[in-house]
Amino acid sequence: ETGVTQSPTHLIKTRGQQVTLRCSSQSGHNTVSWYQQALGQGPQFIFQYYREEENGRGNFPPRFSGLQFPNYSSELNVNALELDDSALYLCASSSGQGSSYEQYFGPGTRLTVT
Amino acid sequence: GQSLEQPSEVTAVEGAIVQINCTYQTSGFYGLSWYQQHDGGAPTFLSYNALDGLEETGRFSSFLSRSDSYGYLLLQELQMKDSASYFCALDTGRRALTFGSGTRLQVQP
Repeated sequence: ETGVTQSPTHLIKTRGQQVTLRCSSQSGHNTVSWYQQALGQGPQFIFQYYREEENGRGNFPPRFSGLQFPNYSSELNVNALELDDSALYLCASSSGQGSSYEQYFGPGTRLTVT
Repeated sequence: GQSLEQPSEVTAVEGAIVQINCTYQTSGFYGLSWYQQHDGGAPTFLSYNALDGLEETGRFSSFLSRSDSYGYLLLQELQMKDSASYFCALDTGRRALTFGSGTRLQVQP
């Protein structure tokens, strides 16, 4: 069974640029959620995708967008990067629609915005 | 909205028992989860309480009291590898988990 993978592991971008982060869900999981984790804080929900449709969104502006592909992998896109976007971005997969109390997290992408 | 409060740091010695508390405010929820995250690592699921009472999973137990808006994670026979951050998270059925800010556990020899 393949776990959740994310790429890249680290990324450095300049304010105003755009970034795309990628996630491959665990085998058999059709739901992908994205979280932002600032240093010393808990993960904050960005949005969730189920069967290629956005299935819920947290308190993040529209410049945070995403996609899910037929193989259930997913992308997180952030436009017009701001310094406060510097964080660890976590992808989590689960099976079924809606919230799942047991989510399988990837190792994350550490984004630094300068 | 929802909010959760946890102590920021807890220190304990190897072999001891430690309890990490979590108080929450929410208008409704399905249950309370606990996750462990080592430095530089991914959060991993530990335990879930849908009902009041104690759930035991090996050395880890979790407790929930809905009437007190309170839960805790109990770690027994502490090992050095248990040094990590621990997060409680509300399952509100709104397609996401709401996490607390985490408790950093330091296990000393």
